Amino acid sequence: GQNIDQPTEMTATEGAIVQINCTYQTSGFNGLFWYQQHAGEAPTFLSYNVLDGLEEKGRFSSFLSRSKGYSYLLLKELQMKDSASYLCALDNYGQNFVFGPGTRLSVLP
Amino acid sequence: DAGITQSPRHKVTETGTPVTLRCHQTENHRYMYWYRQDPGHGLRLIHYSYGVKDTDKGEVSDGYSVSRSKTEDFLLTLESATSSQTSVYFCAAGTGGGTGELFFGEGSRLTVL
Repeated sequence: GQNIDQPTEMTATEGAIVQINCTYQTSGFNGLFWYQQHAGEAPTFLSYNVLDGLEEKGRFSSFLSRSKGYSYLLLKELQMKDSASYLCALDNYGQNFVFGPGTRLSVLP
Repeated sequence: DAGITQSPRHKVTETGTPVTLRCHQTENHRYMYWYRQDPGHGLRLIHYSYGVKDTDKGEVSDGYSVSRSKTEDFLLTLESATSSQTSVYFCAAGTGGGTGELFFGEGSRLTVL
């Protein structure tokens, strides 16, 4: 099976940088996704890592290390609208996607 | 994503009654999925489909069945609803692996009394 762990909650200040970690145990996967989910809404895609290393997309960056079973999402210049849950998910070669429990981020003024 | 709609969006029912949730997509995605989301558990896969009439079980499939008779529609049925099935249900669709992301419907909130 697969197991994914994320911190339950994090708090950060507007304008700061925050790193949300995701650790996993799996026998194999195609890639790792990060999704954002605002309260009461559907998840929306943020990033996808197939290879080890950093993928940058504006204020958001995602990192993957397959050898360490570890990924993180880095959010820079935090804004109030970034208050949301952040979900990491393993892509099992397209057949299904296994999600972690999610990290609820609160951005304070 | 505006291309995926779920119905009903909210439903209250009683234990033992059958319930069907519908997911409709307009983007011709091959793969469709049903997830449930509960506090502390994140999104858990119930069933998924990789084509018309091709479905498979996910992590929490007990008590649920699915059908996909057309590419655009994926139905989730609770034959006899139980209180443990009170949850928010999300449908998703996608092209599969590689860089194919998932597109989610708006969710259906089901309460079983």
